[in-house]
Amino acid sequence: DAGVIQSPRHEVTEMGQEVTLRCKPISGHDYLFWYRQTMMRGLELLIYFNNNVPIDDSGMPEDRFSAKMPNASFSTLKIQPSEPRDSAVYFCASSFEHLSTDTQYFGPGTRLTVL
Amino acid sequence: GQNIDQPTEMTATEGAIVQINCTYQTSGFNGLFWYQQHAGEAPTFLSYNVLDGLEEKGRFSSFLSRSKGYSYLLLKELQMKDSASYLCAVRAGSYQLTFGKGTKLSVIP
Repeated sequence: DAGVIQSPRHEVTEMGQEVTLRCKPISGHDYLFWYRQTMMRGLELLIYFNNNVPIDDSGMPEDRFSAKMPNASFSTLKIQPSEPRDSAVYFCASSFEHLSTDTQYFGPGTRLTVL
Repeated sequence: GQNIDQPTEMTATEGAIVQINCTYQTSGFNGLFWYQQHAGEAPTFLSYNVLDGLEEKGRFSSFLSRSKGYSYLLLKELQMKDSASYLCAVRAGSYQLTFGKGTKLSVIP
């Protein structure tokens, strides 16, 4: 399996622009997670989906952030408008509920820089 | 809410043993995970504990005491490639994980 795929790997944009991050989970996994990682705050959960349905979005910082999962193999995280404080590494992870450890497998991340 | 504490940085010598501690406060505890994250890379799963005791996997072992809200990751026969951040994560109640800020381990010759 190719693992969790994220694109783009790096994104540099200017404040006020819309940013869309993409994720393809591991085939067969029924949970998908979006995280943000910064030096100050560490790895924070933004939102997660189960069977394409958003379950908990309490970690989404504000209305500028939105996430969708239109099908089992694709999810997006959108920031509109972007701000410099959104600069971080955004990880997507997926897991299969019925594994005993419920291990989450992380994608390579998207490093976002907002100027 | 949940509170997870682990040391920010540690340094150890190649070939030695190092123990990375993690303390947590949570309700509805449902498992503790350790992940390894090399600089610029994604976290990768190392170990999982849900019952008290020691889980051993090669050079790495993880211990859990639920009554004390305490876990440690033990790395033996340290190698230079073990230089990385080690993240402690707790699952409580619902399905998601809450991560500590990580311990950056530097292995020196």
